[in-house]
Amino acid sequence: QKEVEQNSGPLSVPEGAIASLNCTYSDRGSQSFFWYRQYSGKSPELIMSIYSNGDKEDGRFTAQLNKASQYVSLLIRDSQPSDSATYLCAVSNFGNEKLTFGTGTRLTIIP
Amino acid sequence: GAVVSQHPSRVICKSGTSVKIECRSLDFQATTMFWYRQFPKQSLMLMATSNEGSKATYEQGVEKDKFLINHASLTLSTLTVTSAHPEDSSFYICSARANRLEAFFGQGTRLTVV
Repeated sequence: QKEVEQNSGPLSVPEGAIASLNCTYSDRGSQSFFWYRQYSGKSPELIMSIYSNGDKEDGRFTAQLNKASQYVSLLIRDSQPSDSATYLCAVSNFGNEKLTFGTGTRLTIIP
Repeated sequence: GAVVSQHPSRVICKSGTSVKIECRSLDFQATTMFWYRQFPKQSLMLMATSNEGSKATYEQGVEKDKFLINHASLTLSTLTVTSAHPEDSSFYICSARANRLEAFFGQGTRLTVV
């Protein structure tokens, strides 16, 4: 079992709709969770970080964490064509500096 | 977010030569820096983790004598690809992290070995 799993996609969502990206992780000791966006040919850019169970909202983005289910998700409201990118989920535990990345989900917003 | 500057953004070198890539955290002190490699349409592959003032920890399968990492200060880490060959052509990305908080990425370096 991979440590951090994401559906590779591609995920296609109409412009203006909600895009839902999911991530599961295997290490129950994980404490920190991050979502990165990576455009083709560019380096990843931090979108959201979340550390406790529940929802965290920032503009059009909402991260959701459920540690009991070992599940973290990212919702993008009012999707825009500029949101088309690969979204990477990353996880680390408290005692480890290293981030473990999923393979990423490719999201396409259809105008 | 915090700023991590990576230089150069693009480099072409001849086979057998060495290339140095710099990674600087501009507005925070990075306790840990990471170096990744990414081939086209593939995910990030962690090469090594470095802490200021200590030797880097390399991931399995990464040759430490070929990929030299120096983390001389809390704001600067360098990766030197020694005796580069065409198969080393890739997108190299650094990341900096402070105190187990968010990690921020540099812009990446596209290395082409001819």
